[in-house]
Amino acid sequence: EPEVTQTPSHQVTQMGQEVILRCVPISNHLYFYWYRQILGQKVEFLVSFYNNEISEKSEIFDDQFSVERPDGSNFTLKIRSTKLEDSAMYFCASMTGGDGNTIYFGEGSWLTVV
Amino acid sequence: RKEVEQDPGPFNVPEGATVAFNCTYSNSASQSFFWYRQDCRKEPKLLMSVYSSGNEDGRFTAQLNRASQYISLLIRDSKLSDSATYLCVVGAAGNMLTFGGGTRLMVKP
Repeated sequence: EPEVTQTPSHQVTQMGQEVILRCVPISNHLYFYWYRQILGQKVEFLVSFYNNEISEKSEIFDDQFSVERPDGSNFTLKIRSTKLEDSAMYFCASMTGGDGNTIYFGEGSWLTVV
Repeated sequence: RKEVEQDPGPFNVPEGATVAFNCTYSNSASQSFFWYRQDCRKEPKLLMSVYSSGNEDGRFTAQLNRASQYISLLIRDSKLSDSATYLCVVGAAGNMLTFGGGTRLMVKP
């Protein structure tokens, strides 16, 4: 079964450092998303991406964050100057689009900022 | 008011029991509705979509009441493997999903 893959599975970084989280969405999917889940809290929407541009973003997704689709397969989330409160599980997700509106999640990248 | 609201639980039930979860949502323009399951420190996995006519998948039955902005999930004959957090998820225009905080279920032998 096709799946969304994410790397790294776990990253520890020092406060102030930049982090890039990588995702390979399912190959025929057109919509891509990043969500995050702080430990013990609910899953929160960060950003959606379609046709090589951001289509929606939440209040959380401020200038510290950026997304990119550098080639035909990867979808990245960059967090500049990480803060302690950025520690969370970051989930990438993708969706076919059209009549298919099921969103599939990757296994997540656990980010710990120390 | 929270956009998607769920009772956090936990619901502790014996094997074989029937358990029901409820969820309310605030955005009347919501277009799609789902139940996801999340195991500890894992990704959310789609359990089932929810339709106005109600739908059933094996031991799981989901219902949607658009007038009351209410979604339910019924699990019959609970198994130990059903222990997880059940997430009520609502989609709006732009395919952006809003998650509830989840309801934790613990099925005991």
